[in-house]
Amino acid sequence: EDQVTQSPEALRLQEGESSSLNCSYTVSGLRGLFWYRQDPGKGPEFLFTLYSAGEEKEKERLKATLTKKESFLHITAPKPEDSATYLCAVLHSGTYKYIFGTGTRLKVLA
Amino acid sequence: DVKVTQSSRYLVKRTGEKVFLECVQDMDHENMFWYRQDPGLGLRLIYFSYDVKMKEKGDIPEGYSVSREKKERFSLILESASTNQTSMYLCASSLDQSQETQYFGPGTRLLVL
Repeated sequence: EDQVTQSPEALRLQEGESSSLNCSYTVSGLRGLFWYRQDPGKGPEFLFTLYSAGEEKEKERLKATLTKKESFLHITAPKPEDSATYLCAVLHSGTYKYIFGTGTRLKVLA
Repeated sequence: DVKVTQSSRYLVKRTGEKVFLECVQDMDHENMFWYRQDPGLGLRLIYFSYDVKMKEKGDIPEGYSVSREKKERFSLILESASTNQTSMYLCASSLDQSQETQYFGPGTRLLVL
């Protein structure tokens, strides 16, 4: 069965304390893996799309990486404004259905 | 920038009412989606559409219907609202099979009393 699991469920960091969020997936034929940021009461905001193992994407303090079984979202020297829920989703071959994880709630303390 | 808009940010409806949620995208995207998001359950797909007048059921279509008469507009209809349809509803669009990144609207928080 296709599945996406994100860990940890919640993470508290001090400002400047780097860390990583994990997205593990089991899917038959990955067509794409997507990372989103979601603030409370708002729609998810697109961050990255990764297509193949070994691919990396960066944006400001965020860096996403992909292997054949999981993706990491690395946050370097986070700031309080990075506090949000980070969602991971996968799309597999032969379907329009995206499978979402339940997210990691990140809180960065000043 | 891709822009996906939803007709309402907040809605309060009574049980049994027919409810219309509208979504518009301005980037000529082929694909449009409706999700609901509930705490602990993540995003669940209700319906999606890959072309005008085309629709496919998602994982939880019961109690919902959709309409796509124009490429830019995708409507979600709750035929007879029930309290268990209280949720955050999210619309998304993606360009086509060559560019599958989904872009989301701001969401509609629906309360059914």
